Amino acid sequence: GQQLNQSPQSMFIQEGEDVSMNCTSSSIFNTWLWYKQDPGEGPVLLIALYKAGELTSNGRLTAQFGITRKDSFLNISASIPSDVGIYFCAGQSDTGNQFYFGTGTSLTVIP
Amino acid sequence: ETGVTQSPTHLIKTRGQQVTLRCSSQSGHNTVSWYQQALGQGPQFIFQYYREEENGRGNFPPRFSGLQFPNYSSELNVNALELDDSALYLCASSTYLTGGTEAFFGQGTRLTVV
Repeated sequence: GQQLNQSPQSMFIQEGEDVSMNCTSSSIFNTWLWYKQDPGEGPVLLIALYKAGELTSNGRLTAQFGITRKDSFLNISASIPSDVGIYFCAGQSDTGNQFYFGTGTSLTVIP
Repeated sequence: ETGVTQSPTHLIKTRGQQVTLRCSSQSGHNTVSWYQQALGQGPQFIFQYYREEENGRGNFPPRFSGLQFPNYSSELNVNALELDDSALYLCASSTYLTGGTEAFFGQGTRLTVV
C-alpha cells in the first residue's frame, strides 16, 4: 500500500521552541489531514488541507499543502507541555476512499 | 469531543475466537471507516462503509468484515482471531464537505488476543 514518510521520527524540544515536521508521499493527494494522538486514545484532527499551496492555521499550529501535492508540513509555534504526543499526517487521493497515514512524529516538550 | 463513540474500550479474546466492535458515527456523517493501529505505527485502513455498502477495502483478509446500519452506525467483525490481530481498532466518521473530506476518530477499542 501507499507509504507516507514522516520526519522527524521523534523530537525533544524545550518549552517555548518552535517545531516543524513534514510528510512526503510518492503519490499525489488531494487532501491532507494532520492529527495528534495521545497514548491509548484516538487521533484528534488538528488541521485539514484541500488545495495545493494552501496554508491553514489553528491557533499555534500552521500546516501547508505542498505545491507538488506530494507533501505537507506542520509547524507548532511556542510549544507548551500539552503539545506532547504523536503527530500523524494522513493523505487521501482522488481515486480512493482511504486515508494513508504517516509513521508519526513523537514530540516531547521539556519544561 | 468528536461525537464518534466506540465500544467496548478494551477487550481480551482467545486465539480462534470471534469479536464484534461497534461504532456510532458523528451526527450528519454518512460514512464510516475502520482502521487497525498496531503499537508504534500509523493507522492502517481496513474498509469503509457508505450508505450501508462496503465502499473500499484495504489489504485485510475476508475474516475482517463489517456492517453499516440505517442510522450510519457500524460494526467490525473479526473471525478466527490471530495473535497479530492485537491492536487498537479505530473507527472514523466522515462526510464530504465542499472542497474535501474531514475524518473524525473515536477513542478506539484496544483488542488483545491471547
